[in-house]
Formats: sequence, C-alpha cells, structure tokens
Amino acid sequence: GENVEQHPSTLSVQEGDSAVIKCTYSDSASNYFPWYKQELGKRPQLIIDIRSNVGEKKDQRIAVTLNKTAKHFSLHITETQPEDSAVYFCASYSGYSTLTFGKGTMLLVSP
Amino acid sequence: DTGVSQNPRHKITKRGQNVTFRCDPISEHNRLYWYRQTLGQGPEFLTYFQNEAQLEKSRLLSDRFSAERPKGSFSTLEIQRTEQGDSAMYLCASSFFSGASYEQYFGPGTRLTVT
Repeated sequence: GENVEQHPSTLSVQEGDSAVIKCTYSDSASNYFPWYKQELGKRPQLIIDIRSNVGEKKDQRIAVTLNKTAKHFSLHITETQPEDSAVYFCASYSGYSTLTFGKGTMLLVSP
Repeated sequence: DTGVSQNPRHKITKRGQNVTFRCDPISEHNRLYWYRQTLGQGPEFLTYFQNEAQLEKSRLLSDRFSAERPKGSFSTLEIQRTEQGDSAMYLCASSFFSGASYEQYFGPGTRLTVT
C-alpha cells in the first residue's frame, strides 16, 4: 500500500520567515496530493491541493510543488504569521478509496 | 452550518462497554469516510461508504467495529467491548466523488476515552 513520509516533524520559524514542509510518497499511481492544517482540538482543514498533472499551485501565501519523477511534494508558506502555527499534514490519493496521511509537522511561528 | 458534523464530541466509557458515534456529512456528498487519529499521528483510514454501500474496510477495523450508512446520508460507527487501545479521536469526512473531484472535508471528531 501507499506510504507517505513527512519532514520535519517540528519546525520553528520567526514571524515573516518562510516555512517549507516536505513529503515523499511510494505509489507511482498517486494522482492527488492535499495538505491539511489542524489547529489544536480542531478538525483538519483542507488548505491547498495539487493534481499529478500540475507542477505547482499557489494560493496567496501558500504554494505546493510536486515532483512526480522523484515522488515528492512540498508545502511552502511565505511571510509566516503566528496564526499559521498548527500541525500540517500531507496526504496522497492513489486512485483507490482514500487518503494516506503523513505523520504531521508541527509549525510554530514566533512573533 | 453546512459542514460535516459529528456527535457526541466527547465520550468517556469504561472498558467493555459499547459506544456509538454519529456523522452527518455535507448534503449531496456521496462518499463518507471514517478515520482514527491518535496523538502525534495523522488520520488513519478505517472504512468508507459510497452512498449506502460500504466499499472498503481497513485491516485496522477489527470485528468489534461496525459502521453503517443506512440511507446514504448519516453514518454510525459502533465499537463493541471497548478496550483502552480504542482511545482516540474518531474523525468523519465526506466528499463528492466524481472521478475528477477528490476533496475530503472533515468533521470536528469524537474524542473517545476508554477508562
């Protein structure tokens, strides 16, 4: 089955800096890669996603890049703000039934 | 509120008791998923429905777990003879699966504590 590895497990940045979270996947048939943000005690929220026919997608301060050859994808957050502090999960969908999630990255943005 | 809802939000039970959770998906979503999340981990797939049909179950789903979606709308997840290892957050998600759309939207979860 699909395996998703996510790094780093924790990331501390200063407000205004950029943050990058990286994921790798194992199933070359995977074709959809969402990112979720989960604040403490709250539901995971879909913040951005990318399909396998696209190399990069941006939405304001967040962007996701995908390298199908290397089977890795990354989340980029620019001009980080304290409210970006949360746990971020990457996931992949391999055309079967559901998503396989990484173990999460705890992002802490210090003012 | 048109999002996914789950009830109860918290459940404390004694080992050996049965518990049942409910999930109401976003209306018109044809797929409904159950996940389990433990501290420091990402959600782990348990089972999913397309309309009323249960199409897949993870091997994580022991025979003490059963899920239903009788009319293709809300779903229930029952755990029989609970064990301390069942303590976790149980998340429900829904999606409108069309072959071109894969987005899943999560509910707030039910936190189960087995004492």
